[in-house]
Amino acid sequence: EAGVAQSPRYKIIEKRQSVAFWCNPISGHATLYWYQQILGQGPKLLIQFQNNGVVDDSQLPKDRFSAERLKGVDSTLKIQPAKLEDSAVYLCASSPPGQPVLKETQYFGPGTRLLVL
Amino acid sequence: AQSVTQLDSHVSVSEGTPVLLRCNYSSSYSPSLFWYVQHPNKGLQLLLKYTSAATLVKGINGFEAEFKKSETSFHLTKPSAHMSDAAEYFCVVSGVTGRRALTFGSGTRLQVQP
Repeated sequence: EAGVAQSPRYKIIEKRQSVAFWCNPISGHATLYWYQQILGQGPKLLIQFQNNGVVDDSQLPKDRFSAERLKGVDSTLKIQPAKLEDSAVYLCASSPPGQPVLKETQYFGPGTRLLVL
Repeated sequence: AQSVTQLDSHVSVSEGTPVLLRCNYSSSYSPSLFWYVQHPNKGLQLLLKYTSAATLVKGINGFEAEFKKSETSFHLTKPSAHMSDAAEYFCVVSGVTGRRALTFGSGTRLQVQP
């Protein structure tokens, strides 16, 4: 079974530029998550999709971050314009349908490491 | 509200000796608790999860954790460390007023000395 795919793996940009990350979840996984992991911290949820609908985006800085999952499969996370404090690893995860609520196992991709100069 | 506290940011053990990674949680209801491991340049991987069944949970690679409600703890243990266990470990709790988001601890870096 193929895992969660993410690209690019690394990205270096200057502040005020824009950047986009792509995620392809495990086939059949209805729920998709984007996390931000700042160096030395645990991941923090940015947004959660159920199919192509947003379930939770309460932690997403909506003035600069946006995400979409138009066809309920792959997803794109965008930052525009980027700030220095956005330097982090951006993790995508997915979980299969049918698991009890609050007990889902999430499967994580390798992440995209972003450096904003 | 809920939170999770990992009591040690860094733990160093010798190969073949026991591992103990400590985690305390605070929650106003019965939580689901997880341990995830993150190897360098690799994705997070689930080690084990507690979901209100048996309080002693066995995971992959010889790890286990015990849920102790009276102590609000969910410590991760392994009888004998292996060099390949060197990684970052995260204690995680799920669910805040129905939200399915995972709340991660700050992580414990495990170093295994030969």
